[in-house]
Amino acid sequence: RKEVEQDPGPFNVPEGATVAFNCTYSNSASQSFFWYRQDCRKEPKLLMSVYSSGNEDGRFTAQLNRASQYISLLIRDSKLSDSATYLCVVNDRLGRGSTLGRLYFGRGTQLTVWP
Amino acid sequence: DTGVSQDPRHKITKRGQNVTFRCDPISEHNRLYWYRQTLGQGPEFLTYFQNEAQLEKSRLLSDRFSAERPKGSFSTLEIQRTEQGDSAMYLCASSLKRGGGSDTQYFGPGTRLTVL
Repeated sequence: RKEVEQDPGPFNVPEGATVAFNCTYSNSASQSFFWYRQDCRKEPKLLMSVYSSGNEDGRFTAQLNRASQYISLLIRDSKLSDSATYLCVVNDRLGRGSTLGRLYFGRGTQLTVWP
Repeated sequence: DTGVSQDPRHKITKRGQNVTFRCDPISEHNRLYWYRQTLGQGPEFLTYFQNEAQLEKSRLLSDRFSAERPKGSFSTLEIQRTEQGDSAMYLCASSLKRGGGSDTQYFGPGTRLTVL
């Protein structure tokens, strides 16, 4: 079973639409959660961290449900420039001592916003 | 450019050859990570360093793979006796780890390896 499961999509939405992505993670001890964005043939870039209370950054809202081990990302008022792959990422306490180490990535959800 | 840099950006090699990639992290970042990404998948962790110490290695890192960070700055990843299954994007990331909190990992542009 993979650490992080995501629906790969693709999601094709018109400009201005609201779109939601979900993912689940398998390790209940997971500590930190993120959404990364990856453009075609580029490196992943941090979009936002995800906090237990939920958090918002402009048109983007992230939610975490620890009981269900479920993470979501909501994009409102989609722009053409939002077209990318969105990676759900989890960070465990697997490093030595109490430090955090590796990131576990989902396979990504592909979003295309059309005019 | 003060971001993570990787060299080369592309590498084409024949099966059985050895290849070496270099990663230069963001200045003063104490952690350096290597990941591998194949088409349609998210990046998979390979190994990471804190300063010059290699703290963790994935089971994906077979004995043909070796990584070093001798002076706690740049890192190299070597693949010996390459196989076609090694074809992938090799991503390096760095972070500044302080205390017990999480660290944000910043990725380099990657080295795309093609093994013929």
